[in-house]
Amino acid sequence: EAGVAQSPRYKIIEKRQSVAFWCNPISGHATLYWYQQILGQGPKLLIQFQNNGVVDDSQLPKDRFSAERLKGVDSTLKIQPAKLEDSAVYLCASSLNGDTEAFFGQGTRLTVV
Amino acid sequence: AQSVTQLDSQVPVFEEAPVELRCNYSSSVSVYLFWYVQYPNQGLQLLLKYLSGSTLVKGINGFEAEFNKSQTSFHLRKPSVHISDTAEYFCAVSRYTGKLIFGQGTTLQVKP
Repeated sequence: EAGVAQSPRYKIIEKRQSVAFWCNPISGHATLYWYQQILGQGPKLLIQFQNNGVVDDSQLPKDRFSAERLKGVDSTLKIQPAKLEDSAVYLCASSLNGDTEAFFGQGTRLTVV
Repeated sequence: AQSVTQLDSQVPVFEEAPVELRCNYSSSVSVYLFWYVQYPNQGLQLLLKYLSGSTLVKGINGFEAEFNKSQTSFHLRKPSVHISDTAEYFCAVSRYTGKLIFGQGTTLQVKP
């Protein structure tokens, strides 16, 4: 069974530029999560989707971050404009539904310079 | 609201020695508890989870954890570590097995 796929693996951008990350969850998984992991910290949930609807985006900085899952399958997370403090690993995870084990992708490491 | 505290940021240990990584949590309601491992430049892999039932939970790679409700702890143990166990370990809680709240992580450094 294929795991959660994320791209790109690494990205370096200058502050005030925009960037987008892509995630393809495990086939059949209705729930998709985006986590932000700043160096030296545990991951923090940014947004949770159930199919194509948002379940929780309470910690998403909505002035600069946006995410979508239009067809209830893959998802895109965007940052515009990026700040230095956005440097982090962005992890995507999926689960069969909201009350089963979440499987994580390898993450996208973003460096903002 | 829930929170997780991992009491040690780094744990150095010699190969074949036992290890315990400590995790305390805070919650006013019942929660599920998890331990994840993260190898360098990798995503998170589930080691074990406590949902209900027996308080001693066995996971992959020889790890186990004990849920202690009175002490609100979920410490991770392994009787004999290997070099390959060197990684970052995260304790997490969830009210459902969905949204996870993670601790700060503990770096396990296994020395030869």
